[in-house]
Amino acid sequence: DAGVIQSPRHEVTEMGQEVTLRCKPISGHDYLFWYRQTMMRGLELLIYFNNNVPIDDSGMPEDRFSAKMPNASFSTLKIQPSEPRDSAVYFCASSLVGGNAFFGQGTRLTVV
Amino acid sequence: GEDVEQSLFLSVREGDSSVINCTYTDSSSTYLYWYKQEPGAGLQLLTYIFSNMDMKQDQRLTVLLNKKDKHLSLRIADTQTGDSAIYFCAVHGSSNTGKLIFGQGTTLQVKP
Repeated sequence: DAGVIQSPRHEVTEMGQEVTLRCKPISGHDYLFWYRQTMMRGLELLIYFNNNVPIDDSGMPEDRFSAKMPNASFSTLKIQPSEPRDSAVYFCASSLVGGNAFFGQGTRLTVV
Repeated sequence: GEDVEQSLFLSVREGDSSVINCTYTDSSSTYLYWYKQEPGAGLQLLTYIFSNMDMKQDQRLTVLLNKKDKHLSLRIADTQTGDSAIYFCAVHGSSNTGKLIFGQGTTLQVKP
């Protein structure tokens, strides 16, 4: 398996635009996590799914953020409208139940 | 609530030992993990310990677990400049939902 694949690797967008981040988890993994990393706040869990169902979205900052997992091999994190304070590295990770998480390389988002 | 705490920064000289500490409030983890993040990359699993063990050694790495005090540590012997990175400890939450909770990360700086 190629591991967790995220796209794009880098995204620069203007304030107010919609941003969509994509993730392909490792095949067979039950859990998918979206994290955000910034210098100020460290690594924050935004939302996670179990078998494509959102379990806990309490980390999603506000209604501008939404995440979907339409099937076991694909998830998106959408920000609409984007703001400069959303600039961060966004990581997707997947795992088996009770297992360690495998991380993607991350998407570096810059909102100008 | 569930929480994992780490000190934010550690600086050592090349050749010295590094000890990174982590405390957690509650966990149902069968395994407890240490991840390493190098600049510009995602988190990668470095090592782990089974919850019924109190020590695990893996080459230059030693993991100590004190379940009574809910304390986990990572010792790196003969620290090298290539060990400079951010180190995260992670445990599964007490509610056994599959959620993996990370500490804030400890930045290890190795001086030549």
